[in-house]
Amino acid sequence: AQSVTQPDIHITVSEGASLELRCNYSYGATPYLFWYVQSPGQGLQLLLKYFSGDTLVQGIKGFEAEFKRSQSSFNLRKPSVHWSDAAEYFCAVVGWGTDKLIFGTGTRLQVFP
Amino acid sequence: NAGVTQTPKFQVLKTGQSMTLQCAQDMNHEYMSWYRQDPGMGLRLIHYSVGAGITDQGEVPNGYNVSRSTTEDFPLRLLSAAPSQTSVYFCASSPQPTGGAGQPQHFGDGTRLSIL
Repeated sequence: AQSVTQPDIHITVSEGASLELRCNYSYGATPYLFWYVQSPGQGLQLLLKYFSGDTLVQGIKGFEAEFKRSQSSFNLRKPSVHWSDAAEYFCAVVGWGTDKLIFGTGTRLQVFP
Repeated sequence: NAGVTQTPKFQVLKTGQSMTLQCAQDMNHEYMSWYRQDPGMGLRLIHYSVGAGITDQGEVPNGYNVSRSTTEDFPLRLLSAAPSQTSVYFCASSPQPTGGAGQPQHFGDGTRLSIL
């Protein structure tokens, strides 16, 4: 069965520092991959998505993610974190032929000034 | 354009009570879904619908019913609320099923439900 793992439950960074949030998936074929962000009390907002093609995808708010098939990973990165990036981040995967989006357990990002 | 609207935003129920969580979207999306979010467990799919008149079960369907009489609305019903159903519920929609076309889902702001 498909699954997605976010090994970091909570990450703390200083404002201006770089950020990498990890996501690993299990699926035999190339999956559709997404990163969503959830601010407190809000729903989920799509940051970026990967379907095929260029393995480095750009998203909103200065985020990017790189698909690495050999490592079954889709890590989210940002070169310089802003205090407003403090939120919970979810990686999600869906495989070809299914209608279901499977979420990781999320990584909560805290940003110190 | 309101997107996905969920009502109510907050609700407290007693064990055994019934209620309906409302979800409406104005984007003419065919695909709609309900998730519950619990601490440390991410979002789990409860039920989903690929179009009016068509629904199917997700990962955690027990204790919940859905129907889809119109494209716009996808209500979630709790017939007899249990404390284990205390959670935050999110409704989402997309133009097509996510797997078939890779369409991202648009989420509502959630309903925070407590069962005493």
